[in-house]
Amino acid sequence: QVQLVESGGGVVQPGTSLRLSCTASGFTFSGFPMHWVRQDPGTGLEWVAAISYDGSEKYHADSVKGRFTISRDNPRSTLYLQMNSLRVEDTAVYYCARVGRYYDILTKGSFDYWGQGTLLTVSS
Amino acid sequence: QSALTQPPSASGSPGQSVTISCTGTSSDVGGYNYVSWYQQHPGRAPKLMIYEVSKRPSGVPDRFSGSKSGNTASLTVSGLQADDEADYYCSSYAGNNKVFGGGTKLTVL
Repeated sequence: QVQLVESGGGVVQPGTSLRLSCTASGFTFSGFPMHWVRQDPGTGLEWVAAISYDGSEKYHADSVKGRFTISRDNPRSTLYLQMNSLRVEDTAVYYCARVGRYYDILTKGSFDYWGQGTLLTVSS
Repeated sequence: QSALTQPPSASGSPGQSVTISCTGTSSDVGGYNYVSWYQQHPGRAPKLMIYEVSKRPSGVPDRFSGSKSGNTASLTVSGLQADDEADYYCSSYAGNNKVFGGGTKLTVL
């Protein structure tokens, strides 16, 4: 069965860096676009970033552009989110999510599988 | 403030129908047929219920249906059951971006 397992969250100080990972199993990881979505309990879901099946195409939300970078390692079936210059407002549960069908534009896809999430707390 | 506007709460009795709205603009909901709906129970990851405005993934009961008129999309839950009590989020394609609504807490009375 499809499984997505996030890791790497924790408590960090503002201005520091952290990398989140999402390990996939139960499907051919290299065949699917992947996204990161975060959830602050106070403000709901927020799309963060997207990457094509082969990593050649990437999009980032304006709120993280220039600070976060999405990437993937297909042989390792792993999705990453490198987060630099972290801010208090980046505090959230971070989910990785799969787009289960082909779309000509990455951000058209809906998410058929989600991980359980990893909590990032940015606090001084 | 979320990009798409949803009512914060909705409710209905078992067996009744409830409709949740999701209002955007011509740059997202109104401009494309790429609206999706997610159900989230407390402490759980979201679950896809509707994609491309009105399509149901395999395994989602036909009690859940989606529609769109202008800049507003809607999710209707018919024959309410206790397990339908959850948060519901809409989402839309918006160019090189994806936007979500603020969520609606559905209570089954």
